[in-house]
Amino acid sequence: AQKVTQAQTEISVVEKEDVTLDCVYETRDTTYYLFWYKQPPSGELVFLIRRNSFDEQNEISGRYSWNFQKSTSSFNFTITASQVVDSAVYFCALSGTGINTGTASKLTFGTGTRLQVTL
Amino acid sequence: KAGVTQTPRYLIKTRGQQVTLSCSPISGHRSVSWYQQTPGQGLQFLFEYFSETQRNKGNFPGRFSGRQFSNSRSEMNVSTLELGDSALYLCASSKDRGQGTQYFGPGTRLLVL
Repeated sequence: AQKVTQAQTEISVVEKEDVTLDCVYETRDTTYYLFWYKQPPSGELVFLIRRNSFDEQNEISGRYSWNFQKSTSSFNFTITASQVVDSAVYFCALSGTGINTGTASKLTFGTGTRLQVTL
Repeated sequence: KAGVTQTPRYLIKTRGQQVTLSCSPISGHRSVSWYQQTPGQGLQFLFEYFSETQRNKGNFPGRFSGRQFSNSRSEMNVSTLELGDSALYLCASSKDRGQGTQYFGPGTRLLVL
């Protein structure tokens, strides 16, 4: 079974602060994808980043960066210089890649972390 | 390129009724998945359709069903609605199975009275 844990329920920061959202996952799949999605008050889930399990290179995309560590099953997400528009619920998600394992195209989500950015 | 669209956006039904929700995937995407989001259970996978066939199913009762058409558009149906079916229903599409990122639509908010 797959499982995603986001221990942080809610985080409040002041604009321009850096903030890191934690994510820990469990899976029996040998290859898998990890995602971060953002859900603003409108409700739509917005795709932010995807990381393949077989590529541990950590990257930066604009104000977003992520730290994937297979050894600790963690996939943390950092927003640099946060802005009020970043206020939303952030979800970490996991899916397998094997069509025959039943996990392909099935996202398992964490419970989400609500980020509040104030002026 | 247009994103995933879902209709209707809001729906109010009473217990015992049935409801049909519609989802049009991104052009060229062949896999459509459905998710239910509630405050208590969070985001849960309902099912996935690819090439007009259900390929994967989550842990939901048989009252929840769906289908996919030849143009990849998908519908989901909930029969004999219960109060607990009140939720945000999200549809997502991806290019292929197990190989792509899922892009979500705006969702349909269903309220069962």
